Amino acid sequence: DAGITQSPRYKITETGRQVTLMCHQTWSHSYMFWYRQDLGHGLRLIYYSAAADITDKGEVPDGYVVSRSKTENFPLTLESATRSQTSVYFCASSAAGSPLHFGNGTRLTVT
Amino acid sequence: SQELEQSPQSLIVQEGKNLTINCTSSKTLYGLYWYKQKYGEGLIFLMMLQKGGEEKSHEKITAKLDEKKQQSSLHITASQPSHAGIYLCGARPGTASKLTFGTGTRLQVTL
Repeated sequence: DAGITQSPRYKITETGRQVTLMCHQTWSHSYMFWYRQDLGHGLRLIYYSAAADITDKGEVPDGYVVSRSKTENFPLTLESATRSQTSVYFCASSAAGSPLHFGNGTRLTVT
Repeated sequence: SQELEQSPQSLIVQEGKNLTINCTSSKTLYGLYWYKQKYGEGLIFLMMLQKGGEEKSHEKITAKLDEKKQQSSLHITASQPSHAGIYLCGARPGTASKLTFGTGTRLQVTL
């Protein structure tokens, strides 16, 4: 089915561990985005990508790493998870100038 | 950076009542997007406004962008329980494809 899927839906990890959140889209959209959603802060952009092998920092990039070797995938890695990274993470994709389409999110808890 | 302020932060209305949510920008809006989010789910795109004075409607939801392109409103007529959720406005800072979001308005519709 066409769309954007995130995995896992829920993840619990310990402080200091590396965690990778996956995002896959089937529309061949050039742009992909990672946001985190926290109470009181709304949605904040972590990283985004305009095309394969092109990534750029958003508002809150510290502690995160992204890669985009293929147009359809945009994984987000927390190199050494901290409690402050407990959040709901949303991936989105779009064509240039078009609305963003969001995945259902990954709820990450860092203990 | 562009900041979007939404009001009210939360709203409780009786089924059948009309309501309005506002989104105000500190800068000129180059595209204003309205999304709805149900608890535990991703964001669903509602409408996009780009021109000053533009107005769009879908079912019982109408969105407007003022002439100066710094304020948008979302109006729901004859609210229903299915309208409950979090409404977020998003805007593009200039020609960039990333979106900045407001902190959202939580809507509850009582029977």
